[in-house]
Amino acid sequence: GQQLNQSPQSMFIQEGEDVSMNCTSSSIFNTWLWYKQDPGEGPVLLIALYKAGELTSNGRLTAQFGITRKDSFLNISASIPSDVGIYFCAGPGGGATNKLIFGTGTLLAVQP
Amino acid sequence: GAGVSQSPSNKVTEKGKDVELRCDPISGHTALYWYRQSLGQGLEFLIYFQGNSAPDKSGLPSDRFSAERTGGSVSTLTIQRTQQEDSAVYLCASSLGGYGTQYFGPGTRLLVL
Repeated sequence: GQQLNQSPQSMFIQEGEDVSMNCTSSSIFNTWLWYKQDPGEGPVLLIALYKAGELTSNGRLTAQFGITRKDSFLNISASIPSDVGIYFCAGPGGGATNKLIFGTGTLLAVQP
Repeated sequence: GAGVSQSPSNKVTEKGKDVELRCDPISGHTALYWYRQSLGQGLEFLIYFQGNSAPDKSGLPSDRFSAERTGGSVSTLTIQRTQQEDSAVYLCASSLGGYGTQYFGPGTRLLVL
């Protein structure tokens, strides 16, 4: 079945640093999604990508849909303490429904 | 505005007992999803409801798991004869239509002792 490998598993950075994380798939995706999950909450959609090569920004966040359609990248610039959380990539789980498959997540800790 | 709500927030139960988890989707959202998040893992799809169509149950891990959606709104996920490996966060999401953005609830944290 489809698998999403996300790296790194965790990152511990200083406030103001830039962050990069990526996600790779064993198969081609038509959509890449990036979610953030705060402690005790459900995931919240940050960025959606629908086209190979697409580069999309949302404030300090920028995500790219890889040309091969098997990977995606998320960058956070000038990190701040509220960026703390778990970041997940996700993509279509196949079949006739809109179920998603998720990566294992990247835990981000930001030290003020 | 009202988002997806889930209850209870936390549930502790003994092995072998049945549990029911509730999800109230965003009003007007026709699609509803259940996912499970085990400790340190990503979300795992369980079941999907869309309108009056037959649900996609392909993610349910065993026949101890079942879900229903009454009146196209509220959904209940039932786990019978709970096992310790059922301990996880159970997340519900809803979307406007079958391919809309999924909005997640805060989850129910289930601990099976």
